[in-house]
Amino acid sequence: AQKITQTQPGMFVQEKEAVTLDCTYDTSDQSYGLFWYKQPSSGEMIFLIYQGSYDEQNATEGRYSLNFQKARKSANLVISASQLGDSAMYFCATTGGGADGLTFGKGTHLIIQP
Amino acid sequence: GAVVSQHPSWVICKSGTSVKIECRSLDFQATTMFWYRQFPKQSLMLMATSNEGSKATYEQGVEKDKFLINHASLTLSTLTVTSAHPEDSSFYICSARDPQFSYEQYFGPGTRLTVT
Repeated sequence: AQKITQTQPGMFVQEKEAVTLDCTYDTSDQSYGLFWYKQPSSGEMIFLIYQGSYDEQNATEGRYSLNFQKARKSANLVISASQLGDSAMYFCATTGGGADGLTFGKGTHLIIQP
Repeated sequence: GAVVSQHPSWVICKSGTSVKIECRSLDFQATTMFWYRQFPKQSLMLMATSNEGSKATYEQGVEKDKFLINHASLTLSTLTVTSAHPEDSSFYICSARDPQFSYEQYFGPGTRLTVT
């Protein structure tokens, strides 16, 4: 079984600042994936970034990067140069090596202030 | 990216009735689909894994007789909430895995169910 812990229920950040959203995970699988999703108030789940457990380099997707520290079981999301449109719920999730569904953390509510 | 649709986007039903939610992959064939449930201000919880041509696999604590899942084709999975009660009111979201990509799941826009 997998478990995701997100310790920041909410965050306020000034526009244009960088943001780090914390995520730690626990899994007994040797092969697993780590995901970050954004959920605006509309409810849709927007895929941001993925990191495989065997990937040696940190994943990057535009303004998003994933700070993967395997030994610490940490997969923090970094958003550079935050924008007002980044205000949303952010969920960290993991899946095992098979065709498993996702296990989500409780999420972080990010609010970007002008 | 791949597109997954859900229908209806919202539904209100009376207690004791059943309601069916459809999840479709529009531009790819999905051998595996997933159903999640999200209560207000909470996280998504996996309910079940739906495999085309076989019975769904339910997560612990999810009543399979209450939440009927049918994966009738490679592009359609349905979730039927039977004998709905107010506590079943929730946001139901499906996702589908594209076999061409090893990890990515594509989410539908969700269905908001209110049981009165």
